[in-house]
Amino acid sequence: GQQLNQSPQSMFIQEGEDVSMNCTSSSIFNTWLWYKQDPGEGPVLLIALYKAGELTSNGRLTAQFGITRKDSFLNISASIPSDVGIYFCAGQGSGGTSYGKLTFGQGTILTVHP
Amino acid sequence: DTGVSQDPRHKITKRGQNVTFRCDPISEHNRLYWYRQTLGQGPEFLTYFQNEAQLEKSRLLSDRFSAERPKGSFSTLEIQRTEQGDSAMYLCASSLDWRAGTDTQYFGPGTRLTVL
Repeated sequence: GQQLNQSPQSMFIQEGEDVSMNCTSSSIFNTWLWYKQDPGEGPVLLIALYKAGELTSNGRLTAQFGITRKDSFLNISASIPSDVGIYFCAGQGSGGTSYGKLTFGQGTILTVHP
Repeated sequence: DTGVSQDPRHKITKRGQNVTFRCDPISEHNRLYWYRQTLGQGPEFLTYFQNEAQLEKSRLLSDRFSAERPKGSFSTLEIQRTEQGDSAMYLCASSLDWRAGTDTQYFGPGTRLTVL
């Protein structure tokens, strides 16, 4: 099935460093969401973006909804060990498809070294 | 505050057997989604319900798969005659109707299926 192009696939960083990851799509989406997933668990919502150009923060996390509606990025500042996990972007509400279903990226695996 | 719950968390079965999973959404949410996630991939949409009506099914949902939400609350996903390729994490998510202004989906912990 269709998936978003998410990069990088993995990142190895030192504690305290900033992290940036992004997602691109050939389709326009009406909503972009970012989730974090720990092994053996379901995705946990981090940030939801509803308007093109929107910049939203949640603690050390900042995400933006691209102005073209075809991309989004997530930044994590001052990383800590508990940031370890897999981060997924998801687009929702693409024209011609179900308004509700999510289309996911392939994930970014984040490893933080103390 | 009760989130989305799924049962069982893990299921090991032999090829050819039938399995059924249950999802209990957040209580005021009227939309319920099923996704499948294989190792190293993001979740892929299977089907969703608005109240008790099943409104869309993915091409991934073969004839061996059936989902129900009889009273618009909990949902079940049944896989008949399981195959090894069915091994995956099955995720359930719920949301308020988008017409309420948001369709933000909250996921349950998933059911990990292993078909031997």
